Amino acid sequence: GAVVSQHPSRVICKSGTSVKIECRSLDFQATTMFWYRQFPKQSLMLMATSNEGSKATYEQGVEKDKFLINHASLTLSTLTVTSAHPEDSSFYICSVPLAAGGSTQYFGPGTRLTVL
Amino acid sequence: AQSVSQHNHHVILSEAASLELGCNYSYGGTVNLFWYVQYPGQHLQLLLKYFSGDPLVKGIKGFEAEFIKSKFSFNLRKPSVQWSDTAEYFCAVNAVDWGSGTYKYIFGTGTRLKVLA
Repeated sequence: GAVVSQHPSRVICKSGTSVKIECRSLDFQATTMFWYRQFPKQSLMLMATSNEGSKATYEQGVEKDKFLINHASLTLSTLTVTSAHPEDSSFYICSVPLAAGGSTQYFGPGTRLTVL
Repeated sequence: AQSVSQHNHHVILSEAASLELGCNYSYGGTVNLFWYVQYPGQHLQLLLKYFSGDPLVKGIKGFEAEFIKSKFSFNLRKPSVQWSDTAEYFCAVNAVDWGSGTYKYIFGTGTRLKVLA
């Protein structure tokens, strides 16, 4: 299956700073990547769909200006949490679908963000 | 709205016990169904999937799941669990979102399985 990496794996930052999380598809070109957020003891919630070469598609309730997504190449998507606050502390996971539509996803290892 | 329900949030079993984790979804159209597993400290991995055909699908590590369309269910089973099966299990549904016309993934809340040696 596809190998997906995320960097950093863990980040602690002060309130008000911005944090960038990278998601890389190491052996598969991905025109689409997904970004999820997982709260403790809860399920994965889809935040947005990252589209290579075009704007990301955000789910209802997700602030576009707060969670900036850039899909600059077929192997890299970045999620920037701008002006982070403690309530943004969470586990952020990206995934790469093997094909468009209802395909299997391959997940990155996740990034634990803690905002102090 | 589409939703996925996993009825068991925590399950504790002894080794060699049989396992069944429930998953029900609400969606009237065609769906693709998945079970993902997350071992401690690791990322989510695909356990098995159903797209079409035989409703009884077999996955890795002896797991299987049965799609029962009339019950909107996709329960996960394993006849004899091992200590190494200790993990969190997520059921997921992938279907067309009628509002946007795109495929959406919806995950259940997960079931934490602990297998006692």
